[in-house]
Amino acid sequence: AQSVTQLGSHVSVSEGALVLLRCNYSSSVPPYLFWYVQYPNQGLQLLLKYTSAATLVKGINGFEAEFKKSETSFHLTKPSAHMSDAAEYFCAVSSTGNQFYFGTGTSLTVIP
Amino acid sequence: NAGVTQTPKFQVLKTGQSMTLQCAQDMNHEYMSWYRQDPGMGLRLIHYSVGAGITDQGEVPNGYNVSRSTTEDFPLRLLSAAPSQTSVYFCASSLLAGVYEQYFGPGTRLTVT
Repeated sequence: AQSVTQLGSHVSVSEGALVLLRCNYSSSVPPYLFWYVQYPNQGLQLLLKYTSAATLVKGINGFEAEFKKSETSFHLTKPSAHMSDAAEYFCAVSSTGNQFYFGTGTSLTVIP
Repeated sequence: NAGVTQTPKFQVLKTGQSMTLQCAQDMNHEYMSWYRQDPGMGLRLIHYSVGAGITDQGEVPNGYNVSRSTTEDFPLRLLSAAPSQTSVYFCASSLLAGVYEQYFGPGTRLTVT
């Protein structure tokens, strides 16, 4: 069975500060990992994905995530938050099965 | 490319009514899926399909039916709407299950009174 845990349903950061959104996964086989962003009243857009190549993955809008197998983590970071980063972020995992499993999401607020 | 399209954007139903949420994709993706999004619960998989003629249940399939007669279309049917089905519904598609990312539609906001 696979699952995703996102620690912190709400995160607030000041504009220009580091963004760190946490994701831990559970998977019995090597996973494929994804981060998605959802802006208000929109569908989800892919930020980045890990598919067993480099452990440090760079995505769009300056975001990156590092796959750490020993910690079963895939945390999302951005060095400097921008007002436009305010959104809901979802971590997802899949493997050789036919399903994607999503975390419950983290709402990011950026304080000017 | 229109990507993944969903209709309608908004719908209000009375308890017991039935309706079909439409989903189409023009990317020739084999994998399609339906999710519902509720506050604090993330996205929960309702049904999915790995190709035309093949469907399977996800985490929360009760009260919903699907069929996949073509690669492009994957409609979701609510058989007898209940207030517990008030939610935002997202359709998504992917080239292949698991390995490739999913592309999401804009969603349908459904209210059942």
